Amino acid sequence: NAGVTQTPKFQVLKTGQSMTLQCAQDMNHNSMYWYRQDPGMGLRLIYYSASEGTTDKGEVPNGYNVSRLNKREFSLRLESAAPSQTSVYFCASLRGQGAGKTQYFGPGTRLLVL
Amino acid sequence: AQKITQTQPGMFVQEKEAVTLDCTYDTSDPSYGLFWYKQPSSGEMIFLIYQGSYDQQNATEGRYSLNFQKARKSANLVISASQLGDSAMYFCAMREPRSNYQLIWGAGTKLIIKP
Repeated sequence: NAGVTQTPKFQVLKTGQSMTLQCAQDMNHNSMYWYRQDPGMGLRLIYYSASEGTTDKGEVPNGYNVSRLNKREFSLRLESAAPSQTSVYFCASLRGQGAGKTQYFGPGTRLLVL
Repeated sequence: AQKITQTQPGMFVQEKEAVTLDCTYDTSDPSYGLFWYKQPSSGEMIFLIYQGSYDQQNATEGRYSLNFQKARKSANLVISASQLGDSAMYFCAMREPRSNYQLIWGAGTKLIIKP
């Protein structure tokens, strides 16, 4: 049981390049989330997926797209990277029952856009 | 407007002392949840404790407890008998109803435990 895995761990891009951040969970969770974390700030939600085949925008979706191809995987795509997208990206899935459901995080991807 | 406020950017605490990390929140919904996460220097986000707005008792998880004062809209994290391994960033987060379990996060408090 690997929990939530993210690849790659680190990435350097040039402005205008594209890339996809991968996230997978093996806990059979329905809901998954993508966040970004910038220095001195809390996490901000980019996109989320309440279930397989559905996605919704979060607080900061501009410049990103997502795909929830199956229950396990939720990918985040940067079509044309910008320096403002330099950040740490976290994927999370939702576990637990009832009101006490909690988000369980992957290890993060550090992205530098030059 | 800020929905989650953590007023302490950084704190130094002597090892073995108790420490309180402040968190205030703003919501008009009667039903909500409050969370604390720890982020050590290695970067991962670790769930610590949860408090539901209707929970009658303050949540506790080992050395962690949540001092929930609903009327004051505060949900402070208390760590008893601090250890060097408690040095980390600590984030308070809130979940509102009808939000598909999205979390709204505070800016965090950096806690450093001194030996």
